[in-house]
Formats: sequence, C-alpha cells, structure tokens
Amino acid sequence: EIQLQESGPGLVKPSQSLSLTCSVTGYTITSGYDWSWIRKFPGNKMEWMGYISYSGSTNYNPSLKSRISITRDTSKNQFFLQLNSVTTEDTATYYCARSPLTIWGQGVMVTVSS
Amino acid sequence: DTVLTQSPALAVSPGERVTISCKASESVSTRMHWYQQKPGQQPKLLIYKASNLASGVPARFSGSGSGTDFTLTIDPVEADDTATYFCQQSWNGPLTFGSGTKLEIK
Repeated sequence: EIQLQESGPGLVKPSQSLSLTCSVTGYTITSGYDWSWIRKFPGNKMEWMGYISYSGSTNYNPSLKSRISITRDTSKNQFFLQLNSVTTEDTATYYCARSPLTIWGQGVMVTVSS
Repeated sequence: DTVLTQSPALAVSPGERVTISCKASESVSTRMHWYQQKPGQQPKLLIYKASNLASGVPARFSGSGSGTDFTLTIDPVEADDTATYFCQQSWNGPLTFGSGTKLEIK
C-alpha cells in the first residue's frame, strides 16, 4: 500500500524559509508519476504549489515561482518543499500527494508567526 | 488561472439526492475531478475525469459534465457523507481547485 507522510516544523517565523519532507512508502518515486505539494489555507482555499516528476524535473505554480523549490532524495524515497521568505499568508495545512492526485498524505499544519 | 466556482453549502436529509455543482471560468474539457474531505483528514478522490468513479468509492457517487459545467451527484445521501466537496481541474495551466461545498446531513 502506498503511503505518503509529511513532516516538518509546525511554526516558522516571518521572512524565514519553510521546509517540509514527504516520505513515501510502498512505491519508489523514481518509478513513475509526479509528486506534488498542495496547501489548504484557513477558510478552505486550496492551492497546488508544484511537483517533482519521477525523472527529477520540476513544475511550479507561477504564483510561487520565485519562492519555491521542490527537490528529492532518491536514496531515502523522499521529496522536499522549500518555500522562502514566508509571511503570515503562508499559514496553511501542507499536503504531499502523488499526481494525478489520487493519494495524499495526512497533511501538516504550518503556522507563520513571530 | 482557471477559476472554479462552487456554492458554499448545502443541507439535505438522509436518503435524498444531492447535486453539487462546479463551474469553470473556461473550458477544462473533461479534466475535472472531485474530492471529499472530512475534518482532520486528507482529501479523498471520488471522481476523476468528470465521470469516472475512483477505486473503492461507492456507486452512490457519480459525476457528469464537460466544458465549463460539472456536477457531482450523491444518491442516496447517507449521514457519513457529511464533508466538504472540492472540484479540481487539470486541463489548463496550474492545477486549480474550487472553494469547496460543505454538505450537511440534517
């Protein structure tokens, strides 16, 4: 059974970087599919942030392009999200998912606050 | 970006039929997908490519539509269907989501 699990700090200070890890079990991320990050803001709005493909190429939402980086560690079967220069508007629950968005992690809530 | 518009909330009684709509600001062909999200849980795919039932999803759920107008139907509704339902398109530019329809079972 394929499972995804997000991890990372729940609190980040404004202007700092947000870094999250998605650990994948039951499937090798280099075997296929794209591996996405999505976030859900308070109030229900959801935003697709970007993905890293099985081959290592990336595709980002243009709204975030200057601040986002998605990378991976194939030896650990993990992929990562880094979002720079965060503000309080980046407070959200962050999900990793296999694209097409058929399998999601449980999500991790991140608050940006001083 | 393609904007997806959903009505914010609906309330129905168990056993009834409910339709949840999603209107796209431009055509998305049939690349519309529907998710159910319960509080504290991750979204669960219900319908993919407008009308295809995802694995393990009860046949009470169905989807229809193409172009700009899409519908998710639950018939009959059960108490466990209390959740927020999101549409999402994968045809144009960055993936986008609707704002969600909160379904209350009376």
